[in-house]
Amino acid sequence: EPEVTQTPSHQVTQMGQEVILRCVPISNHLYFYWYRQILGQKVEFLVSFYNNEISEKSEIFDDQFSVERPDGSNFTLKIRSTKLEDSAMYFCASSVALNTEAFFGQGTRLTVV
Amino acid sequence: AQSVTQLGSHVSVSEGALVLLRCNYSSSVPPYLFWYVQYPNQGLQLLLKYTSAATLVKGINGFEAEFKKSETSFHLTKPSAHMSDAAEYFCAVTLRGNQGGKLIFGQGTELSVKP
Repeated sequence: EPEVTQTPSHQVTQMGQEVILRCVPISNHLYFYWYRQILGQKVEFLVSFYNNEISEKSEIFDDQFSVERPDGSNFTLKIRSTKLEDSAMYFCASSVALNTEAFFGQGTRLTVV
Repeated sequence: AQSVTQLGSHVSVSEGALVLLRCNYSSSVPPYLFWYVQYPNQGLQLLLKYTSAATLVKGINGFEAEFKKSETSFHLTKPSAHMSDAAEYFCAVTLRGNQGGKLIFGQGTELSVKP
């Protein structure tokens, strides 16, 4: 069964460092998303991406964040200069069309020290 | 703005008992509604979705949910709990015509099942 895969499963980084979280969406999907879940809090939307551009982004998704689809299969989230409060589980998701089921990856746990 | 409220961060039931997880939404336009489940160390898996067809929606693993517009609710039920149902459950909403397709999640309900 097709699935969304994320790497790494866990990343520890020092404050101020850049991190890139990687995702491989399901191959025929057209919409891509990043969400995050800070420990003990709800899952929060970060950004959606369609047709090689951002469709929508939340207030969380500031200039420190960027997304890219560098080739036909990967979808990445970059945090330029990590802060302690960026520590969270980051989920990638994809869907075949708008407002259809979003398939989620298993997440990357980012720990900023 | 749309929002989702899940009543009860923790629910505990006995094996074989009814499962009822509550979800209320706030939306200015008709929404699409979803329930996702998260097992330990795994991603979010769709249980079921409401997209304006039948108001009673059946999902995987014996779960179902009923959309009640008058109550702005989308509660999740299962007649008989199984030990394998222990997980975190998230209710989510998205707006029709939302160009970004983002999901707004509730805070989650952790379901425990006692033998």
